[in-house]
Amino acid sequence: EAGVAQSPRYKIIEKRQSVAFWCNPISGHATLYWYQQILGQGPKLLIQFQNNGVVDDSQLPKDRFSAERLKGVDSTLKIQPAKLEDSAVYLCASSPYRQGRELFFGEGSRLTVL
Amino acid sequence: DAKTTQPPSMDCAEGRAANLPCNHSTISGNEYVYWYRQIHSQGPQYIIHGLKNNETNEMASLIITEDRKSSTLILPHATLRDTAVYYCIVRVAGDTDKLIFGTGTRLQVFP
Repeated sequence: EAGVAQSPRYKIIEKRQSVAFWCNPISGHATLYWYQQILGQGPKLLIQFQNNGVVDDSQLPKDRFSAERLKGVDSTLKIQPAKLEDSAVYLCASSPYRQGRELFFGEGSRLTVL
Repeated sequence: DAKTTQPPSMDCAEGRAANLPCNHSTISGNEYVYWYRQIHSQGPQYIIHGLKNNETNEMASLIITEDRKSSTLILPHATLRDTAVYYCIVRVAGDTDKLIFGTGTRLQVFP
Protein backbone atom coordinates (compact mmCIF):
# COMPACT_ATOMS: atom_id res chain seq x y z
CA GLU A 1 0.00 0.00 0.00
CA ALA A 2 1.40 3.37 -1.02
CA GLY A 3 1.96 5.84 1.77
CA VAL A 4 1.23 9.55 2.01
CA ALA A 5 3.09 11.37 -0.73
CA GLN A 6 4.35 14.92 -0.34
CA SER A 7 6.25 17.28 -2.59
CA PRO A 8 8.55 19.03 -2.81
CA ARG A 9 10.79 17.49 -0.17
CA TYR A 10 12.86 20.62 0.14
CA LYS A 11 12.22 24.25 -0.75
CA ILE A 12 14.30 27.36 -0.17
CA ILE A 13 12.75 30.78 -0.75
CA GLU A 14 13.31 34.35 0.29
CA LYS A 15 10.98 36.13 2.67
CA ARG A 16 7.88 37.64 1.08
CA GLN A 17 7.91 35.02 -1.67
CA SER A 18 5.18 32.41 -1.98
CA VAL A 19 5.37 28.63 -1.80
CA ALA A 20 2.99 25.72 -2.22
CA PHE A 21 3.15 22.18 -0.89
CA TRP A 22 1.24 19.22 -2.26
CA CYS A 23 -0.06 16.14 -0.48
CA ASN A 24 -1.59 12.94 -1.85
CA PRO A 25 -3.09 10.90 0.99
CA ILE A 26 -3.49 7.14 1.16
CA SER A 27 -6.28 6.03 -1.15
CA GLY A 28 -9.65 6.02 0.55
CA HIS A 29 -8.60 8.09 3.54
CA ALA A 30 -11.28 10.65 4.25
CA THR A 31 -9.44 12.75 6.80
CA LEU A 32 -6.37 14.82 5.93
CA TYR A 33 -4.21 16.92 8.23
CA TRP A 34 -1.46 19.49 7.75
CA TYR A 35 1.02 19.93 10.57
CA GLN A 36 3.88 22.41 10.98
CA GLN A 37 7.00 21.21 12.78
CA ILE A 38 9.58 23.79 13.79
CA LEU A 39 13.04 22.45 14.60
CA GLY A 40 13.18 20.98 18.09
CA GLN A 41 9.42 21.04 18.60
CA GLY A 42 6.59 18.58 18.16
CA PRO A 43 4.25 18.87 15.18
CA LYS A 44 1.55 21.55 15.44
CA LEU A 45 -1.79 21.03 13.70
CA LEU A 46 -2.59 23.71 11.13
CA ILE A 47 -5.73 22.37 9.47
CA GLN A 48 -7.87 19.25 9.30
CA PHE A 49 -10.11 18.24 6.38
CA GLN A 50 -12.89 15.68 6.32
CA ASN A 51 -13.31 14.82 2.63
CA ASN A 52 -13.15 18.30 1.05
CA GLY A 53 -14.58 20.20 4.03
CA VAL A 54 -12.59 21.96 6.75
CA VAL A 55 -13.11 20.47 10.22
CA ASP A 56 -10.59 22.58 12.16
CA ASP A 57 -8.41 25.47 10.99
CA SER A 58 -8.20 27.32 14.29
CA GLN A 59 -4.36 27.26 14.30
CA LEU A 60 -3.92 28.27 10.65
CA PRO A 61 -2.52 31.82 10.22
CA LYS A 62 -5.13 32.78 7.69
CA ASP A 63 -3.53 36.08 6.75
CA ARG A 64 -0.77 34.20 4.95
CA PHE A 65 -1.60 30.49 4.94
CA SER A 66 -4.29 28.83 2.87
CA ALA A 67 -5.16 25.22 2.18
CA GLU A 68 -7.60 23.39 -0.01
CA ARG A 69 -8.59 19.85 -0.73
CA LEU A 70 -10.41 19.71 -4.01
CA LYS A 71 -12.51 16.61 -4.75
CA GLY A 72 -11.65 15.26 -1.31
CA VAL A 73 -8.36 13.70 -2.38
CA ASP A 74 -5.17 15.73 -2.93
CA SER A 75 -4.46 18.83 -0.90
CA THR A 76 -2.29 21.90 -1.27
CA LEU A 77 -0.96 24.20 1.44
CA LYS A 78 0.13 27.68 0.35
CA ILE A 79 2.09 30.35 2.15
CA GLN A 80 2.00 33.89 0.78
CA PRO A 81 3.98 35.93 1.69
CA ALA A 82 6.45 33.80 3.62
CA LYS A 83 8.17 35.01 6.78
CA LEU A 84 11.41 33.85 8.36
CA GLU A 85 9.47 32.12 11.15
CA ASP A 86 7.70 29.92 8.61
CA SER A 87 10.90 27.88 8.24
CA ALA A 88 9.78 24.41 9.28
CA VAL A 89 8.85 20.97 8.06
CA TYR A 90 5.28 20.75 6.80
CA LEU A 91 3.82 17.32 7.43
CA CYS A 92 0.74 15.90 5.79
CA ALA A 93 -1.14 13.02 7.41
CA SER A 94 -4.24 11.05 6.53
CA SER A 95 -6.60 8.78 8.40
CA PRO A 96 -9.31 6.38 7.25
CA TYR A 97 -11.70 7.20 10.08
CA ARG A 98 -13.83 10.18 10.97
CA GLN A 99 -12.84 9.65 14.61
CA GLY A 100 -9.28 8.81 13.58
CA ARG A 101 -7.38 6.21 15.52
CA GLU A 102 -4.18 6.12 13.52
CA LEU A 103 -2.69 8.89 11.45
CA PHE A 104 -0.33 8.01 8.62
CA PHE A 105 2.26 10.72 8.00
CA GLY A 106 4.22 11.60 4.91
CA GLU A 107 7.94 12.39 5.07
CA GLY A 108 7.27 16.11 5.06
CA SER A 109 8.33 19.15 3.06
CA ARG A 110 11.19 21.13 4.56
CA LEU A 111 10.89 24.89 3.99
CA THR A 112 13.74 27.31 4.55
CA VAL A 113 12.92 31.02 4.35
CA LEU A 114 15.94 33.31 3.94
CA ASP B 1 -1.28 22.86 24.76
CA ALA B 2 -0.21 19.27 25.15
CA LYS B 3 -1.75 17.50 28.12
CA THR B 4 1.24 15.24 28.74
CA THR B 5 4.64 15.51 30.42
CA GLN B 6 7.62 13.45 29.28
CA PRO B 7 11.34 13.48 30.14
CA PRO B 8 13.26 15.24 27.37
CA SER B 9 15.76 12.44 26.83
CA MET B 10 16.62 8.87 27.78
CA ASP B 11 19.33 6.35 26.95
CA CYS B 12 19.00 2.61 26.57
CA ALA B 13 21.46 -0.17 25.78
CA GLU B 14 20.77 -2.23 22.69
CA GLY B 15 18.90 -5.42 23.54
CA ARG B 16 17.56 -4.08 26.81
CA ALA B 17 14.02 -2.95 27.48
CA ALA B 18 13.31 0.74 27.02
CA ASN B 19 10.69 2.10 29.41
CA LEU B 20 9.40 5.54 28.45
CA PRO B 21 7.20 7.27 31.05
CA CYS B 22 4.43 9.77 30.46
CA ASN B 23 2.33 11.79 32.88
CA HIS B 24 -1.21 12.81 31.92
CA SER B 25 -2.78 13.71 35.25
CA THR B 26 -5.66 15.72 33.72
CA ILE B 27 -6.83 13.03 31.31
CA SER B 28 -10.59 12.67 30.95
CA GLY B 29 -12.44 9.40 31.14
CA ASN B 30 -13.10 9.19 27.42
CA GLU B 31 -9.63 10.22 26.24
CA TYR B 32 -7.17 7.71 24.84
CA VAL B 33 -3.40 7.66 25.26
CA TYR B 34 -1.49 7.42 21.99
CA TRP B 35 2.18 6.89 21.33
CA TYR B 36 3.94 7.92 18.15
CA ARG B 37 7.62 8.04 17.32
CA GLN B 38 9.59 10.12 14.85
CA ILE B 39 12.84 8.88 13.43
CA HIS B 40 15.17 11.58 12.13
CA SER B 41 13.95 13.21 8.89
CA GLN B 42 10.80 11.11 8.77
CA GLY B 43 7.17 11.75 9.64
CA PRO B 44 5.77 10.46 12.93
CA GLN B 45 4.81 6.78 13.04
CA TYR B 46 1.97 5.32 15.08
CA ILE B 47 3.04 2.82 17.74
CA ILE B 48 0.13 1.97 20.02
CA HIS B 49 -2.82 3.41 21.89
CA GLY B 50 -5.00 2.50 24.87
CA LEU B 51 -7.85 3.69 27.06
CA LYS B 52 -7.46 2.00 30.43
CA ASN B 53 -6.29 -1.56 29.82
CA ASN B 54 -2.72 -2.54 29.05
CA GLU B 55 -2.09 -3.07 25.36
CA THR B 56 0.51 -4.98 23.39
CA ASN B 57 1.30 -5.20 19.70
CA GLU B 58 4.25 -6.24 17.58
CA MET B 59 6.10 -3.01 18.29
CA ALA B 60 5.56 -2.30 21.96
CA SER B 61 3.53 -2.61 25.15
CA LEU B 62 1.55 0.14 26.81
CA ILE B 63 1.02 0.07 30.55
CA ILE B 64 -1.58 2.51 31.92
CA THR B 65 -1.90 3.03 35.67
CA GLU B 66 -5.21 2.25 37.30
CA ASP B 67 -5.95 5.92 37.95
CA ARG B 68 -4.97 6.64 34.29
CA LYS B 69 -2.78 9.55 35.35
CA SER B 70 0.36 8.08 33.85
CA SER B 71 1.52 5.44 31.40
CA THR B 72 4.68 3.70 30.24
CA LEU B 73 5.64 2.63 26.76
CA ILE B 74 7.83 -0.45 26.76
CA LEU B 75 10.07 -1.47 23.87
CA PRO B 76 11.02 -4.98 25.04
CA HIS B 77 14.31 -5.36 23.15
CA ALA B 78 15.54 -2.01 21.92
CA THR B 79 17.60 -1.85 18.74
CA LEU B 80 19.63 0.97 17.23
CA ARG B 81 16.74 1.57 14.82
CA ASP B 82 14.53 2.49 17.78
CA THR B 83 16.53 5.69 18.28
CA ALA B 84 13.88 8.38 17.80
CA VAL B 85 11.71 10.98 19.49
CA TYR B 86 8.75 9.34 21.21
CA TYR B 87 5.55 11.31 21.68
CA CYS B 88 2.90 10.51 24.25
CA ILE B 89 -0.38 12.13 23.22
CA VAL B 90 -3.78 12.38 24.81
CA ARG B 91 -6.38 12.39 22.08
CA VAL B 92 -8.62 15.41 22.49
CA ALA B 93 -12.20 14.28 22.67
CA GLY B 94 -14.65 15.79 20.22
CA ASP B 95 -15.58 15.85 16.61
CA THR B 96 -12.27 17.14 15.36
CA ASP B 97 -10.40 14.23 16.93
CA LYS B 98 -7.07 15.99 16.60
CA LEU B 99 -3.73 14.91 18.04
CA ILE B 100 -1.76 17.55 19.94
CA PHE B 101 1.94 16.76 20.11
CA GLY B 102 4.26 17.86 22.91
CA THR B 103 8.04 17.89 22.69
CA GLY B 104 8.43 14.17 23.35
CA THR B 105 11.30 12.06 24.71
CA ARG B 106 14.42 11.63 22.64
CA LEU B 107 15.47 7.99 23.07
CA GLN B 108 19.06 7.15 22.22
CA VAL B 109 19.82 3.44 21.92
CA PHE B 110 23.53 2.72 22.17
CA PRO B 111 25.50 -0.42 21.23
